[in-house]
Amino acid sequence: NAGVTQTPKFQVLKTGQSMTLQCAQDMNHNSMYWYRQDPGMGLRLIYYSASEGTTDKGEVPNGYNVSRLNKREFSLRLESAAPSQTSVYFCASSNVRPNEQYFGPGTRLTVT
Amino acid sequence: GDSVTQMEGPVTLSEEAFLTINCTYTATGYPSLFWYVQYPGEGLQLLLKATKADDKGSNKGFEATYRKETTSFHLEKGSVQVSDSAVYFCALRAYSGAGSYQLTFGKGTKLSVIP
Repeated sequence: NAGVTQTPKFQVLKTGQSMTLQCAQDMNHNSMYWYRQDPGMGLRLIYYSASEGTTDKGEVPNGYNVSRLNKREFSLRLESAAPSQTSVYFCASSNVRPNEQYFGPGTRLTVT
Repeated sequence: GDSVTQMEGPVTLSEEAFLTINCTYTATGYPSLFWYVQYPGEGLQLLLKATKADDKGSNKGFEATYRKETTSFHLEKGSVQVSDSAVYFCALRAYSGAGSYQLTFGKGTKLSVIP
C-alpha cells in the first residue's frame, strides 16, 4: 500500500516549457487535490477533484490545468511555465468519511 | 473567507522543554481543525484533529483543544525531543460542496529542538 505517489521528485524547466506532474493513490479515495507550498505562505490549493469526472478551481488556479484520468490518478499540467511557478507541489487524496487528507512526498519544481 | 493564523517561527527549544504553538482561526459555521507535521524532505502527515468544540485531539504526546469561544486550537507538548524537529501546520476544514471538503492552512511554524 504505497498511499499517494508523485512523479517526478525534482524538475527544472525553462520559462515557456510545459510539463505534467503525475499523482496516483491506491486508497480508493474519491477526492484528490493539488497544492503548492511556498516559503512563508503555507499550502495553497490549486485545483481539486471531488470525484472521478469532476474538477474545480482552488485558491490559485491561474497557469495550471488538471485532469482526473480515473479514480486513482490526478495530473497537474503547466502549459507555459513561469518563474513564479517555482514551488513544491503536493498532491493529496481523501474520502468523504472520515475525510482526512493524505499527502504525497511532493515535487520540487524550479523554473528558470 | 476562512483563514488560519499561527505563530511565526522559527521556534528553537532545548530537549525536554515545553512546547506551545498558537493557532487561531476565522471561519463561518463549525469547521474541523487539524495539526499537520512536515519532516524535512517529506510531505505533510496528519498529527491530530478535533471535529467539534471542546474536543481534544492527541497523538505522540502532542495535544490541542478546540476552543470555540476563543477560536483557537493551540498545539502543546510537555517534553519535546530532537525527533520533533519539523514544520507544523494548523488547518481548518470546511465543506466546499459536491461532497468535497477543503483545507485552509496556516503558514507553518518551524520547530528546531537542540540536544
